[in-house]
Amino acid sequence: GEDVEQSLFLSVREGDSSVINCTYTDSSSTYLYWYKQEPGAGLQLLTYIFSNMDMKQDQRLTVLLNKKDKHLSLRIADTQTGDSAIYFCAERDAGNMLTFGGGTRLMVKP
Amino acid sequence: DAGVTQSPTHLIKTRGQQVTLRCSPKSGHDTVSWYQQALGQGPQFIFQYYEEEERQRGNFPDRFSGHQFPNYSSELNVNALLLGDSALYLCASSLPGQGGDYGYTFGSGTRLTVV
Repeated sequence: GEDVEQSLFLSVREGDSSVINCTYTDSSSTYLYWYKQEPGAGLQLLTYIFSNMDMKQDQRLTVLLNKKDKHLSLRIADTQTGDSAIYFCAERDAGNMLTFGGGTRLMVKP
Repeated sequence: DAGVTQSPTHLIKTRGQQVTLRCSPKSGHDTVSWYQQALGQGPQFIFQYYEEEERQRGNFPDRFSGHQFPNYSSELNVNALLLGDSALYLCASSLPGQGGDYGYTFGSGTRLTVV
């Protein structure tokens, strides 16, 4: 079955760049997403990339997709303390089901 | 424009009981999906409803059932509750076939605790 893997934890200093990585297994994925979850809250869509794209930039966020290696990354430039949260990558199959990774907890130190 | 609303926000139930969670989709959305998020884990897909029918189902037992009403709102029912059913239950709405930022809008969830 499909599987999405993420590293558990990332710590950066305020102002540095953060890179969160994700690997997936379903080659039929149509879209790949990055969601942010703050404590006690639901999921907030940050950005997405269509599976035939290599890169997408959206203000401080850059998504890179290596379809051959099934590797997705999210780069946050000039990371702020307000970026501290859990970040989930998710892949969408042809049937519109999302499969999520286990989440990466980002801690931003002042 | 209201997003996805879920009720209740928190719920405590006893093992063996039954529970019903409710979801109103974002205005204009007609497809509702339910996800279970156990503590410290990513959300897992339960099922999706479109045109009042279950369209797709994840790897969950028959104790988990749902319904979609003509106004597109949805209910998730869980029978014979187990301690392991304790989780945050998330509802997401969407338009069928839409991806990217037209895709899924999540509610804030219902925190279910089974004791």
